[in-house]
Amino acid sequence: AQSVTQLDSHVSVSEGTPVLLRCNYSSSYSPSLFWYVQHPNKGLQLLLKYTSAATLVKGINGFEAEFKKSETSFHLTKPSAHMSDAAEYFCVVSAPHGQNFVFGPGTRLSVLP
Amino acid sequence: DTAVSQTPKYLVTQMGNDKSIKCEQNLGHDTMYWYKQDSKKFLKIMFSYNNKELIINETVPNRFSPKSPDKAHLNLHINSLELGDSAVYFCASSHARTSGSYEQYFGPGTRLTVT
Repeated sequence: AQSVTQLDSHVSVSEGTPVLLRCNYSSSYSPSLFWYVQHPNKGLQLLLKYTSAATLVKGINGFEAEFKKSETSFHLTKPSAHMSDAAEYFCVVSAPHGQNFVFGPGTRLSVLP
Repeated sequence: DTAVSQTPKYLVTQMGNDKSIKCEQNLGHDTMYWYKQDSKKFLKIMFSYNNKELIINETVPNRFSPKSPDKAHLNLHINSLELGDSAVYFCASSHARTSGSYEQYFGPGTRLTVT
């Protein structure tokens, strides 16, 4: 069985400052991990994925995430926040080969001018 | 071109009615899904179809029935709508699990409001 915890329901940062969105997972298997972003009233867009290759994964729009097996974490970071980054972010865990996507509860990112 | 499309985008209806939401993908994927997002943004899978065959059916009332006429389409039919069915429903698609590239691509969502 898999589960995901996103430690912060809401994160607020100033434009130009770093972003850190935290995700911890639990999985009976070697997991695949994903981050999705949902802008207001929009669908979900894939930011990046980890599928047992490099532990540091680079995604779109300057985001990256690092898989740390010892900490069961897959935190999302970005060096400098932009106003357009304001959205809901979901961490997702699945078993190998994509069975059973399990979504975290989401973290709402606010970016202040 | 839209990769995963859903119609309608908004659906307002009364309790007891029957309604359908349509989903189409042009990505050549062979697995499609329906998710429900509640008012707290929590996403939960409802159904998964692979090559027109049901492979995941979570604990969903049997008033919900998915129908897949072909690999590119997965429709969701809901009978006897209830207030608690109000939510945003997302369709998604992916390659087969054995392909090595199975991230899911999501449609824009259908906001269902039951009054």
